[in-house]
Amino acid sequence: DTAVSQTPKYLVTQMGNDKSIKCEQNLGHDTMYWYKQDSKKFLKIMFSYNNKELIINETVPNRFSPKSPDKAHLNLHINSLELGDSAVYFCASSPSDRGGEAFFGQGTRLTVV
Amino acid sequence: GENVEQHPSTLSVQEGDSAVIKCTYSDSASNYFPWYKQELGKRPQLIIDIRSNVGEKKDQRIAVTLNKTAKHFSLHITETQPEDSAVYFCAATPWAGNQFYFGTGTSLTVIP
Repeated sequence: DTAVSQTPKYLVTQMGNDKSIKCEQNLGHDTMYWYKQDSKKFLKIMFSYNNKELIINETVPNRFSPKSPDKAHLNLHINSLELGDSAVYFCASSPSDRGGEAFFGQGTRLTVV
Repeated sequence: GENVEQHPSTLSVQEGDSAVIKCTYSDSASNYFPWYKQELGKRPQLIIDIRSNVGEKKDQRIAVTLNKTAKHFSLHITETQPEDSAVYFCAATPWAGNQFYFGTGTSLTVIP
């Protein structure tokens, strides 16, 4: 009964490839996020979706395209992978009213070689 | 969007001492301020949170204070233990709750 689950946990791929990371939450939250955590441990917000609508797109290259088929899922597709894309990507969800705890997935460690 | 600054970036304390981490935020609309702990190789997890209608909240050895006028909030850990060693993140989010901005993180090391 994992609250926020993302797959895969590890992803190793070559430069130039296209890859996807999937995320699902069973908490009934309206808002989902993608964060990038680099080697310096910064948790940088990439996207925020509320009820399948894009709320935040924080200066992320357009090689990154989020897709939310329904409010329980937020997938991340990355085209033409670059070395600098190597990081841990976290999916998270939170309730959208009154501010509430954000729950994180276990993270996807992406390594581009 | 919201700009959250966090200090210090690294902190080492002796076991049993107290640790204090401070954050400031820029958006006066922010009214929910959680703190997350991230152990090595794991996901961030909530340890305590505070809302803008409260000035202080305590949970055993952990406390958070909020000064909304000055736009800053702090995490206090007393009687630190080695298992408190982790990266701690503050965050600020407005009432609508769909903009979750994190501080830059503090790596806390508790020396036995």
